[in-house]
Amino acid sequence: QKEVEQDPGPLSVPEGAIVSLNCTYSNSAFQYFMWYRQYSRKGPELLMYTYSSGNKEDGRFTAQVDKSSKYISLFIRDSQPSDSATYLCATSLQGAQKLVFGQGTRLTINP
Amino acid sequence: SQTIHQWPATLVQPVGSPLSLECTVEGTSNPNLYWYRQAAGRGLQLLFYSVGIGQISSEVPQNLSASRPQDRQFILSSKKLLLSDSGFYLCAWSTGPTGQYFGPGTRLTVT
Repeated sequence: QKEVEQDPGPLSVPEGAIVSLNCTYSNSAFQYFMWYRQYSRKGPELLMYTYSSGNKEDGRFTAQVDKSSKYISLFIRDSQPSDSATYLCATSLQGAQKLVFGQGTRLTINP
Repeated sequence: SQTIHQWPATLVQPVGSPLSLECTVEGTSNPNLYWYRQAAGRGLQLLFYSVGIGQISSEVPQNLSASRPQDRQFILSSKKLLLSDSGFYLCAWSTGPTGQYFGPGTRLTVT
């Protein structure tokens, strides 16, 4: 079993829809949770991070962590074609230097 | 602000040839540095990471090596490339558990 599981998609939604991207993880000791956006042929870009459980909002993006179910989510409101990219979740232990990444979900927003 | 550079951006090399990819970071001191490889349509594979000059941890035994000759310089090398070394190579830095910041990547094709 992988430490972080993420549906690779692809996921295709119409412009303006609310997008929900999800990951599950197996190690209850993970404390930091991140979402990255990667455009084609570019390096991943850190979108948001959260510590432990709860929600964090940044503009149209909301990250949510549910430690009881070991489930992390990224919601995109009012999705735009420019949001079309691969989204990767990542997590780490307290004090760790390494991240554990999900495989990434390829998202397409159709105009 | 911090900036990370990688070069070259693209590289085509024959099997058996040597490799040297360079990564430099500006605007931060004593960062943790990372080399990842991303195969087409796949997730990120951590190859090496470094917490200081001359300190290298290898994650996957393979045909590659890494060195950190200066605080903000990280080099990925190979003496003899294999076809399986083709991929997208990403350098990243971090100074804490709240995420890593990636460079633009080097696309390597071994022919």
